[in-house]
Amino acid sequence: DVQLTQSPAFLSASVGDRVTITCRASQGFDNYLAWYQQKPGKAPRLLIHAASTLQTGVPSRFSGSGSGTEFTLTISSLQPEDFATYYCQQLNSSPLTFGGGTKVEIE
Amino acid sequence: EVQLVESGGGLVQPGGSLRLSCVVSGLTLSTSWMHWVRQAPGKGLFWVARITHDGKTLYADSVKGRFTISRDNAKNTLFLQMDSLRDEDTAVYYCARDASWRLDPWGQGTLVTVSS
Repeated sequence: DVQLTQSPAFLSASVGDRVTITCRASQGFDNYLAWYQQKPGKAPRLLIHAASTLQTGVPSRFSGSGSGTEFTLTISSLQPEDFATYYCQQLNSSPLTFGGGTKVEIE
Repeated sequence: EVQLVESGGGLVQPGGSLRLSCVVSGLTLSTSWMHWVRQAPGKGLFWVARITHDGKTLYADSVKGRFTISRDNAKNTLFLQMDSLRDEDTAVYYCARDASWRLDPWGQGTLVTVSS
């Protein structure tokens, strides 16, 4: 199974900050990696797919990059509505796996 | 607009069974790959099962032999039959469409609680 390790697990930041979340894979794969945002009591929302493709309707302050075993999600200027938990997911091989999540909190 | 609505969650005793449903609209289930993903209270996301457009199924090791994913194309409904339930199966269960190497959209989730 491909293990995904997200770092950091928790992040305190202020509105306007640039935030970067890393997702490291136990083995390399093609860019079948997605990022999701989840707010308390809500279903996950797709932000990025194919490692760097912004999902329709997602603000351009979100971006994704990476390949192989290291992927990143960047929020260029954190907004109040971005305080949430973020997950990476690999869809390259079964079983599909998720990272442990990164909770972004208000500093 | 694609919408997914889960139902069927509830309280069940260990060893019991439950069947979850996911009614989909805005897409044709017979041509779609669909997944179930769960989230234990306060924990992260965990992939449970997948069914392809032609009915091939795949399961996480921890549910293999106990859970069955299926669908009724005529009713545009996805199912998850859960047998021999354990405490550790307690979670919110989400259905989601596989939109080509990403899960989108997701349903709102249904809570399953396994407890005596």
